[in-house]
This record gives sequence, structure tokens and C-alpha cells, in this order.
Amino acid sequence: QKEVEQDPGPLSVPEGAIVSLNCTYSNSAFQYFMWYRQYSRKGPELLMYTYSSGNKEDGRFTAQVDKSSKYISLFIRDSQPSDSATYLCAIETGANNLFFGTGTRLTVIP
Amino acid sequence: GAVVSQHPSRVICKSGTSVKIECRSLDFQATTMFWYRQFPKKSLMLMATSNEGSKATYEQGVEKDKFLINHASLTLSTLTVTSAHPEDSSFYICSANGQGGGYTFGSGTRLTVV
Repeated sequence: QKEVEQDPGPLSVPEGAIVSLNCTYSNSAFQYFMWYRQYSRKGPELLMYTYSSGNKEDGRFTAQVDKSSKYISLFIRDSQPSDSATYLCAIETGANNLFFGTGTRLTVIP
Repeated sequence: GAVVSQHPSRVICKSGTSVKIECRSLDFQATTMFWYRQFPKKSLMLMATSNEGSKATYEQGVEKDKFLINHASLTLSTLTVTSAHPEDSSFYICSANGQGGGYTFGSGTRLTVV
């Protein structure tokens, strides 16, 4: 079983839609949860970082962590074509032990 | 915020030659940096952890003599792909543990070996 599972998609939505991206993990020792956005041929860009259960909001982005279910989500409101990218979840135990999901490729259609 | 600069962004080299990729933390000190490899439409694969002033820690299956890592200062780590072959063609990305949580990634280096 992989440490982190993420649906690779691809996912296509119309502009303005709410996007939901999800990951599940298996190790309850994971403490830190991140979402990265990666455009084609670029390095990943940190979108959200959190370490507690609950929601964290930043503009159109909301990260949600449910430690009891070992489930994390990223919601994108009012999606834009510029949001088209691959979104990677990443989870860490805290000792520089970082695990990435496979990434979900998102396309927002104008 | 924390910025990691990676150079070159793209390089083409001939088989048998060596290529050096640099990763710099611009506004913070990074005692530890990480080197990843990414194949098309795949996630990042950790190759090695670079430690300032000491030897790098390589992941299982990564040839340390082929992928030489030097972390000579708190702001610079280099990855040298030695005796490159076409199968080494890939996207290489470095990262460092930035300030405020999370990891900051470089912009990546696309290596093509011909």
C-alpha cells in the first residue's frame, strides 16, 4: 500500500466550477499536510500548508484535513483557466520524510 | 517567502559527458536540500537528501557514483550527472525546507542526453 494515494485524473471542469481534489494516507504519524501546484515543465509551487485537522482558507483555495479518516482535500472555488495544472498532495511525518501523491491533472475549460 | 533558484533550466548534453545542476537558497540558509527526479506525467521521486558539510543520503536504487551531490555551503547544493546516458534524460528538481513550513522547490532542470 502506498503511503499516499491520489486520483491521477485527469479532471476537466468548466470555468467557475468548484474543484475538489483529494488524497488519502495510511500512516497516522503524518503530521504536516501540503498541496502543491505544478505547471508543465516547472517546479512545484506550495499552495497550502497545514498541520491540524480542519479547514484552512487562502483566497479561492481551501485545504481540509481529517486526521481521523486520514483524508485531505483541496477545494478551488471559482476555478479559472489559469488554475489548469497538476496538483500534488504531500504529507510529512516531520523528520524531512516527505511523501507525494501521484498528482491530479486539472484542466479548467473557458 | 523562501526562494530556491535552480540552474540551468534546460540542458542538452552528449552521451558520456557530465552535467552539473545548481540549487541555491536565495534568502535563507538550508542545511538540508533534496533532489528529485520526475518522469513525464509522474510524481516526484526522491533521489537523495543533501546535507551541508557531510555526505548525501541516497535513496535505494540511486547510484551515488553516477549522481554526485555536493552541499558545500548553507545556500548551495549541486547535482552532477556523470557519464550521462539517454536514459538519464529527465526533469530534475531540488527543494529545501523553507521558512514557515512546507518545502520550496526550484524551477527544475530538463536534461536531455543525446
